[in-house]
Formats: sequence, structure tokens, C-alpha cells
Amino acid sequence: QLHLQESGPGLVRPSETLSLTCTVSGGSISSRSFFWGWIRQPPGKGLEWIGTVFSTGSTYYDPSLKSRVSISVDTSQNQLSLRVNSVTAADTAIYYCARHEGDGPYYGVDVWGQGITVTVSS
Amino acid sequence: QSVLTQPPSESGTPGQRVTISCSGSISNIGGDFVYWYQQLPGTAPRLLINRHNQRPSGVPDRFSGSKSGTSASLAISDLRSEDEGNYYCAAWDDRLSGWVFGGGTKLTVL
Repeated sequence: QLHLQESGPGLVRPSETLSLTCTVSGGSISSRSFFWGWIRQPPGKGLEWIGTVFSTGSTYYDPSLKSRVSISVDTSQNQLSLRVNSVTAADTAIYYCARHEGDGPYYGVDVWGQGITVTVSS
Repeated sequence: QSVLTQPPSESGTPGQRVTISCSGSISNIGGDFVYWYQQLPGTAPRLLINRHNQRPSGVPDRFSGSKSGTSASLAISDLRSEDEGNYYCAAWDDRLSGWVFGGGTKLTVL
């Protein structure tokens, strides 16, 4: 059974870079059948799509975050990574790693990680 | 302000049928598939309804989805206390080349 596990620092200073990793088990991130992505949820608010990536490195980002975000895959480690530059308090959220259910970015998420809480504060 | 519009709250009594609406535009719901997610308190979202209006294994057949034009609905029949939580619709937006979510609907079982 596919399992996604997020990891990274729970506290990031304003203006610094948020870096998270998602380790995939029970499946291969190299699979040509799926895209992978990140979604976040600010405290008490709804879900926000951050971006989506394929094993080849092809990426899609939310336009409002595109200038600050980078998503990549490490097929040797079976991991997915997220970097958000120049963070502010508005980036405080639960960050979820996710698998899209098909071989295109337009396929929705069918598997979610448990999420990791990241707080931006000095 | 979410691209997809959902009512902030809905409620019902046990055994009742409730529907949650999701309104979008031609660039998202009108031209593509709608997904529905359930998020119970303190947990990660889980897929309820996929692009083919199918339920993944483990999702009761009390949950069903439908779409008409630029709107979609999630229906929950035989409402139970364990259904209490937040529900989100989502769709791919061709104009944005990205995913858009509804703001979420908090379902209360009275």
C-alpha cells in the first residue's frame, strides 16, 4: 500500500527558505503512471494547491506562488521535495505531500500524506 | 477568495440526505472533472469521489457525485455522526493550468 511521509523543520524564520521532503514507500516515484504534488492548508482555512511534478522533472505551479516555489523529485531516494523561498507568516500551514491518480497533472489527488505543520516565526 | 464556490456550512439530522454544492466556471468544472474530498477533524483529506464519479475502495455508497454545466454536487444519504467534518471540491483549471479548490463546507450532524 502506498504511503507518503513528509519531513522537515517545523519552524522557519521569516525571509528564509522552507524545505520539505516527502518519502514514498510502497510504490515508485519513477512510475510513468502518476504525477506527484504538494498542497497546503493554513490554520483554520481551506486547501491550497502549491504545485505538481512528474518523474521527468516537468512541473506545474500555482501562479501566485510560482516565483518562490520549486518542486523536484529524487528517483534514487524515492523522494519528492518542496522549497519555498522568502517565507512570511502567510506561509504558515500544514503541508501535504500527494499522489495524483494518473499520468497527467489534471488527474486529481488520490493519496495524501499525513501532513506536516510548518510555522513561520522569528 | 476561492475559485470554486461552496457554502461555508451545511447541516442535517441522522438518516437525512444532504447535498453540498460547488460552483465554478467553464475553465474548470465546465470543462473538466470534479473531485470531492472529506477531511475529518485533525486528519488529512481523503478522496471521496474521483474523476469518473467513482468511489475509491472503502468509501460507502452513501456518497455520490454529480455535475451539470459549471456546477457540481456531493450528495450524502443516510447521514451519520461520523460524516461530520469538512468537504472540499476540486477541479483542474485549464486557464490557470493548475488545480483549484472550493473553500470547503463544514458539515454538522445535528
